Amino acid sequence: DTGVSQDPRHKITKRGQNVTFRCDPISEHNRLYWYRQTLGQGPEFLTYFQNEAQLEKSRLLSDRFSAERPKGSFSTLEIQRTEQGDSAMYLCASSLGGLAGNTGELFFGEGSRLTVL
Amino acid sequence: GDSVTQMEGPVTLSEEACLTINCTYTATGYPSLFWYVQYPGEGLQLLLKATKADDKGSNKGFEATYRKETTSFHLEKGSVQVSDSAVYFCALSLNQAGTALIFGKGTTLSVSS
Repeated sequence: DTGVSQDPRHKITKRGQNVTFRCDPISEHNRLYWYRQTLGQGPEFLTYFQNEAQLEKSRLLSDRFSAERPKGSFSTLEIQRTEQGDSAMYLCASSLGGLAGNTGELFFGEGSRLTVL
Repeated sequence: GDSVTQMEGPVTLSEEACLTINCTYTATGYPSLFWYVQYPGEGLQLLLKATKADDKGSNKGFEATYRKETTSFHLEKGSVQVSDSAVYFCALSLNQAGTALIFGKGTTLSVSS
């Protein structure tokens, strides 16, 4: 399977704990995105990487959130001191971007569902 | 700010009925427009797109036309199937390098036989 994969698919944690999600993009894709989706809402942009550089962060990404893509391949999203409001589906997407900009075709993983008790 | 508004669901149809899901947008500049679909248990996937005014995107019997004058990109299908049951998201891209997609809230479609 050469699609975007995310791990774990489900995570239940207690408030105050730290959690980390991993995303493996399609191998030749240089761009990687993290989105958050809550029930009844569309995906909301969190952050974006081009290769290993984090180029854009949404104001939704509080100081408790940190994302990395150290070698320009897989990425991790860590949430520290989780709160109940962090409960959501965290989506990863990748794309092959060029100088002309984003063509908009993102390839999404199935998401990592976080439940904070 | 830039945004996408789509009709609220759920939309419930019988097989072979006509479908229209409305989508309007607000954006600076000239965005590209997209419909993504999420089937049960699967990730979001691109259904169709249009990159400039009057373009028509089409795929799997679905169509949408980029209407700049009404800032709309309504999704249509002449005859839906049970397998079309899914959540449909309208989205826009500002066509700047690295800019992420902005999504609507999604519309759930349920088709019964």
